[in-house]
Amino acid sequence: RKEVEQDPGPFNVPEGATVAFNCTYSNSASQSFFWYRQDCRKEPKLLMSVYSSGNEDGRFTAQLNRASQYISLLIRDSKLSDSATYLCVVFREVRGAQKLVFGQGTRLTINP
Amino acid sequence: GAGVSQSPRYKVAKRGQDVALRCDPISGHVSLFWYQQALGQGPEFLTYFQNEAQLDKSGLPSDRFFAERPEGSVSTLKIQRTQQEDSAVYLCASSLAGALSYEQYFGPGTRLTVT
Repeated sequence: RKEVEQDPGPFNVPEGATVAFNCTYSNSASQSFFWYRQDCRKEPKLLMSVYSSGNEDGRFTAQLNRASQYISLLIRDSKLSDSATYLCVVFREVRGAQKLVFGQGTRLTINP
Repeated sequence: GAGVSQSPRYKVAKRGQDVALRCDPISGHVSLFWYQQALGQGPEFLTYFQNEAQLDKSGLPSDRFFAERPEGSVSTLKIQRTQQEDSAVYLCASSLAGALSYEQYFGPGTRLTVT
């Protein structure tokens, strides 16, 4: 079982729709949580950090549930430019060694 | 400004050849990370440097993989006696300090194909 699990999709949704992705992580020592975006044949880029209190950045809302070890991302009023792979990422540090652990990614296509 | 750069962008190697992949991090970034990304998968951690010190190499898949950062800036990932299963995109990332406090900036990657 992978440490960070995501539904790989693909998700195909019409422009303007709301779409939600979920992610679960197995290591309770995970300290910080992120969503990264990766366009086809490009490098990953940080989309947003995720906090227990929930955080919003424009059309994007991220939420963390530590008790359930569950992370979510909500995209409202989706745009064609939102088409990408969304990577759920957890950070942990063990004896000074720092590591980002990535999920498989969820592929999203927004259709006109 | 200049981001993380990697070279070569594409590399085709015959099975058994040695390859060297280079990463130039953002100037002044203390931390440097290498990841391996297979097709359809997320990046998998390989190794982590803080300045010239390699603090974690637990992700290196075998002793054929070796990474160095001798002067605390440019890093090289070397793969000896390449195998077909080594075919992947190798991503380098750097951050100002530790991965927790600062965003990791990724380079464009080197796409390695072993034939």
